[in-house]
Amino acid sequence: AQTVTQSQPEMSVQEAETVTLSCTYDTSESNYYLFWYKQPPSRQMILVIRQEAYKQQNATENRFSVNFQKAAKSFSLKISDSQLGDTAMYFCAFMKGANAGKSTFGDGTTLTVKP
Amino acid sequence: DTGVSQNPRHKITKRGQNVTFRCDPISEHNRLYWYRQTLGQGPEFLTYFQNEAQLEKSRLLSDRFSAERPKGSFSTLEIQRTEQGDSAMYLCASSFGRGQGNEKLFFGSGTQLSVL
Repeated sequence: AQTVTQSQPEMSVQEAETVTLSCTYDTSESNYYLFWYKQPPSRQMILVIRQEAYKQQNATENRFSVNFQKAAKSFSLKISDSQLGDTAMYFCAFMKGANAGKSTFGDGTTLTVKP
Repeated sequence: DTGVSQNPRHKITKRGQNVTFRCDPISEHNRLYWYRQTLGQGPEFLTYFQNEAQLEKSRLLSDRFSAERPKGSFSTLEIQRTEQGDSAMYLCASSFGRGQGNEKLFFGSGTQLSVL
């Protein structure tokens, strides 16, 4: 079974600064996908970024980028130029195969962006 | 389309009562998923449908839980004889999945269940 560990229950960052959220996972699979989801206080979870394990290049989406270290089974999320709207809970998720809905989620990191 | 809709947003019930939640997915999505999320934890997969077929159920889904998606559109999740341990947020998500790994999930806002 896959496990996903987010070792930082809470983090804070000043507006406009950069913050990195950590995630490690454990799997024996070679083909998989990794995701970061954002869940704001309104509770509707949205996809932030995804990474295919077979791709060496780190995924980026505007101010969000990942540092994917396959050998170390590490998948961190970097948020640049943090904005107040980035305040949310962030979940790292692992997907084996091709069914995103059966992903295994970590327990989340609560990020607070301070003005 | 306004996204994935879940009703009710909140449900308070007494132990032993039955409750039913509804999820309306994005109309063209063929896959629908149910999750349970307790405070301080990530979502846990419960079950999923491809069109009207329920293809998988987690071991978390006890016999008191049943889900349906009768016409491949909306879905209901029923919990019979609720227990205090059932208190959680129940999330629904939908996607258009072709089994190619590029599936994107769209989540609803969830139904918060409190069992007294």
